[in-house]
Amino acid sequence: NAGVTQTPKFRILKIGQSMTLQCAQDMNHNYMYWYRQDPGMGLKLIYYSVGAGITDKGEVPNGYNVSRSTTEDFPLRLELAAPSQTSVYFCASMGDRATYEQYFGPGTRLTVT
Amino acid sequence: KQEVTQIPAALSVPEGENLVLNCSFTDSAIYNLQWFRQDPGKGLTSLLLIQSSQREQTSGRLNASLDKSSGRSTLYIAASQPGDSATYLCAVSERLNKLVFGSGTILRVKS
Repeated sequence: NAGVTQTPKFRILKIGQSMTLQCAQDMNHNYMYWYRQDPGMGLKLIYYSVGAGITDKGEVPNGYNVSRSTTEDFPLRLELAAPSQTSVYFCASMGDRATYEQYFGPGTRLTVT
Repeated sequence: KQEVTQIPAALSVPEGENLVLNCSFTDSAIYNLQWFRQDPGKGLTSLLLIQSSQREQTSGRLNASLDKSSGRSTLYIAASQPGDSATYLCAVSERLNKLVFGSGTILRVKS
């Protein structure tokens, strides 16, 4: 299993541009999450999904959109990028609610200038 | 709103010392608590997960405790090594396992 994969690893955007951060998992997990981590801080939840076709907002959803058309993929869309969205973005998934263990991807480092 | 605080923010110790990292949270209605390790520029590695009904978990030189009623957890690292140098993050889970993270403790173990 590849686990949770994220692309791209790095990206520089200009203010006002848009992009999609890709996240995929091959563990057949129903639960998937997007977090952002600002320098020197912990992670904050942006959006989450409990299964294909179901998404909901987390703590910091403004400026982002998500979709979940398949169990495997959970892309995060940035519209009209702003400098405040400069951050490292992590995707995570969870399959077994008995253990509650989340598996994290390697992250995407995004800079908006 | 759940808030998670980690103390100290940074810690520097000589190799071989035993050390304790602290985590506190404001709402005791959690499902579990996890400790993660994060190396510079890397993702998160789960170290220990304590279910809300448990009091502690151990893995090798690591021991984590949980006191839900007082809103506290500690991560104990025995006989620290330079390879333990990293940022340690504490996170508590809410409904649907949404995680709320602390800001982390940056640990440096000097050889």
